[in-house]
Amino acid sequence: NAGVTQTPKFRVLKTGQSMTLLCAQDMNHEYMYWYRQDPGMGLRLIHYSVGEGTTAKGEVPDGYNVSRLKKQNFLLGLESAAPSQTSVYFCASSYGTGQGLYEQYFGPGTRLTVT
Amino acid sequence: AQSVTQLDSQVPVFEEAPVELRCNYSSSVSVYLFWYVQYPNQGLQLLLKYLSGSTLVESINGFEAEFNKSQTSFHLRKPSVHISDTAEYFCAVSDLGSARQLTFGSGTQLTVLP
Repeated sequence: NAGVTQTPKFRVLKTGQSMTLLCAQDMNHEYMYWYRQDPGMGLRLIHYSVGEGTTAKGEVPDGYNVSRLKKQNFLLGLESAAPSQTSVYFCASSYGTGQGLYEQYFGPGTRLTVT
Repeated sequence: AQSVTQLDSQVPVFEEAPVELRCNYSSSVSVYLFWYVQYPNQGLQLLLKYLSGSTLVESINGFEAEFNKSQTSFHLRKPSVHISDTAEYFCAVSDLGSARQLTFGSGTQLTVLP
């Protein structure tokens, strides 16, 4: 199993450009999450999904959109990138039931720089 | 709302010495508690978790953490560290009502010196 994979690994954008980050998991997990990691701030939840076709806002959703058209994929979009969105983005997934719900499996991250 | 405080941003320690990474949480309800580890240029990996039962939980690589409800703490300890333990460690909390969300602390960088 590949686990959780993220594409791309690195990206540099100019202010105002758009892009989509792709997250894929092969563990048949129901829940998927997008976080951003900034120095000294830990991880903050951007958006999450509790199943195919559903999404919800997390702690810092502004400037981002997401879609979960297929159970195994969770896309994070930036419509008009801003320098404040320079960060490392992590995708995670977890089972939808029982105690396994609380254990999240993380991807390797995408390092995004907005100039 | 929950919050997690990791009291030390950087902890340098010599190899084979003991270490404690401190974590306090703020929540008015019952919680689940986690420690995740992040090695350089990698994603986070679950190190150990407290869901219920014994307040002392252990990981497979020698770390342990003790849930202390009265002090709202979940400190991580290891009696003897190795160079390979150098990483960033994150404490996280989830209350039983919002199972889909983890609240993370700001992280503690553990550096093991030879």
